[in-house]
Amino acid sequence: AQKITQTQPGMFVQEKEAVTLDCTYDTSDPSYGLFWYKQPSSGEMIFLIYQGSYDQQNATEGRYSLNFQKARKSANLVISASQLGDSAMYFCAMRREGSGNTGKLIFGQGTTLQVKP
Amino acid sequence: NAGVMQNPRHLVRRRGQEARLRCSPVKGHSHVYWYRQLPEEGLKFMVYLQKENIIDESGMPKERFSAEFPKEGPSILRIQQVVRGDSAAYFCASSPPFGTSGGAMAKNIQYFGAGTRLSVL
Repeated sequence: AQKITQTQPGMFVQEKEAVTLDCTYDTSDPSYGLFWYKQPSSGEMIFLIYQGSYDQQNATEGRYSLNFQKARKSANLVISASQLGDSAMYFCAMRREGSGNTGKLIFGQGTTLQVKP
Repeated sequence: NAGVMQNPRHLVRRRGQEARLRCSPVKGHSHVYWYRQLPEEGLKFMVYLQKENIIDESGMPKERFSAEFPKEGPSILRIQQVVRGDSAAYFCASSPPFGTSGGAMAKNIQYFGAGTRLSVL
């Protein structure tokens, strides 16, 4: 069975500093994808970044990068130069890929990030 | 491109009534997913549909819940005889067909709507 663990219920970061949100996963599937979504207080879910298990390089999208360590089964999100608008709940998720994939996402419990001015 | 549209944004029902939640996917997306989020928790998968077909309903409660994605029109999540425990945020997501080439399409990223907050009195 697949499982996502986010051990940090809440995090604080000073504006303009970098912050790392932790995510570890457990799966026996040979091929999988890892995702991060942002949920601001308004409630919508915003896609941030994707990492495939066979991707050779860590994914980056603007100020977001994914520190993918396959052997440790971790997929931490790094946000550089934090902004006040980054204050939100962040969810790590994974899905099985390849044959038998139905695309469903398994989510972690989330980490609340607060950016201090 | 318009994103995933969900309506209503907020829905209040009394115990025993029916709730109908609608989801219009991104234009060109043929896959629709429904998730439920209880307070202070992550999203939990409920059902995955393609046009006129239920592909995976492993997360759906066995009773009172049903979903459809007709050939024409939005996807509907229907909850009959609602109970207080059904109070939650219900999210719909859509993605392009698997194997679509190019960028985010090839990754079959699921894009979410803003959700429907269901409150059962």
